[in-house]
Amino acid sequence: EDKVVQSPLSLVVHEGDTVTLNCSYEVTNFRSLLWYKQEKKAPTFLFMLTSSGIEKKSGRLSSILDKKELFSILNITATQTGDSAIYLCAVEGGTSYDKVIFGPGTSLSVIP
Amino acid sequence: DAEITQSPRHKITETGRQVTLACHQTWNHNNMFWYRQDLGHGLRLIHYSYGVQDTNKGEVSDGYSVSRSNTEDLPLTLESAASSQTSVYFCASSEGRDMNTEAFFGQGTRLTVV
Repeated sequence: EDKVVQSPLSLVVHEGDTVTLNCSYEVTNFRSLLWYKQEKKAPTFLFMLTSSGIEKKSGRLSSILDKKELFSILNITATQTGDSAIYLCAVEGGTSYDKVIFGPGTSLSVIP
Repeated sequence: DAEITQSPRHKITETGRQVTLACHQTWNHNNMFWYRQDLGHGLRLIHYSYGVQDTNKGEVSDGYSVSRSNTEDLPLTLESAASSQTSVYFCASSEGRDMNTEAFFGQGTRLTVV
């Protein structure tokens, strides 16, 4: 069965800390791994990763994929209270239908 | 600006009633998706559509149906609402079938079945 696992499920840090969020997957016919940030309601797209070892970067956020070990990490440096959100990892692939399988999310709280 | 909107934003209904959640996008995307989000499960795919008159079952399709009569709309119907369908529902659309392009999400509909 295809699955995406994220850890930790929740995390509380202080402003300025660096955090690493983990996503591991077992998905047949892997095509890409996606990271989303969900604040209040709708998820917003952060990164799409398709190749191992190539870091994607956007400001204080960065992410990398390891297709051999089947995981990805999302790093956030110098965290701010505005980074508080649920971070969703999703993998595109699957068997019976080629759609996106989402992980449960990591709830990040950044306190002043 | 193009957008994707869901309505209603909140809905309370009784067990056994039929409920329809609306999703409307102005991106002119062929691909539209319905997800439900529950604690501990992340987003799970209910139904999806690759274009007009095309609908497909997702991971948790039992008890739900969709129809696609035009490009802009993919309404989600709960034929006979059950308490297990209390959830937050998200609609999404994308340009690429494989979501290699960014998917845009609606703001969600919180449905409570009592």
